[in-house]
Amino acid sequence: DVKVTQSSRYLVKRTGEKVFLECVQDMDHENMFWYRQDPGLGLRLIYFSYDVKMKEKGDIPEGYSVSREKKERFSLILESASTNQTSMYLCASSLGHGRTQHFGDGTRLSIL
Amino acid sequence: AQRVTQPEKLLSVFKGAPVELKCNYSYSGSPELFWYVQYSRQRLQLLLRHISRESIKGFTADLNKGETSFHLKKPFAQEEDSAMYYCALSPLKAGGTSYGKLTFGQGTILTVHP
Repeated sequence: DVKVTQSSRYLVKRTGEKVFLECVQDMDHENMFWYRQDPGLGLRLIYFSYDVKMKEKGDIPEGYSVSREKKERFSLILESASTNQTSMYLCASSLGHGRTQHFGDGTRLSIL
Repeated sequence: AQRVTQPEKLLSVFKGAPVELKCNYSYSGSPELFWYVQYSRQRLQLLLRHISRESIKGFTADLNKGETSFHLKKPFAQEEDSAMYYCALSPLKAGGTSYGKLTFGQGTILTVHP
């Protein structure tokens, strides 16, 4: 069974801090994705990656960056956290183009 | 750019009643459509995809290209169907392979009352 693990379930940070959200998958998937989930807005894609060291912007990349140094790990970075980045963040992975995305449990991030 | 619209934020039915969750999309090319579900305190998971043409947990969904819709239906709702449902779209490249990137709708919370 595919396992996508997000390092924290809950995280509280302060405005202006640099925040790292980590995601690890154990099935050698090429593709990894970061979404944010907000009530009434659904899931919105922040960044995705098709290969190691490769990244592409999603629909709402502003204020975020990502890192994929190893195939199994995809990190989301909030360079200078702001209160409007308070949200649920979901990581997902998939084997190849067109394959099912498998999601982690999510990280609920609060920026105070 | 593609767009997915789920017009109902909340949907309530009684156990045994039919249920239909609406999904409309806009995309100039050929899309691949999905329904994802999130049960209480569980992670988001795939329910079904249109290319599989299968019924999962009694749910079916038919892609209607003329109406650009992909509504999710179940003839007899069960209490365990209560969850958040998301419709999602992925653009298809020529040759039938998806890019893998998903655009989600806003989600519909389904509540099935006993």
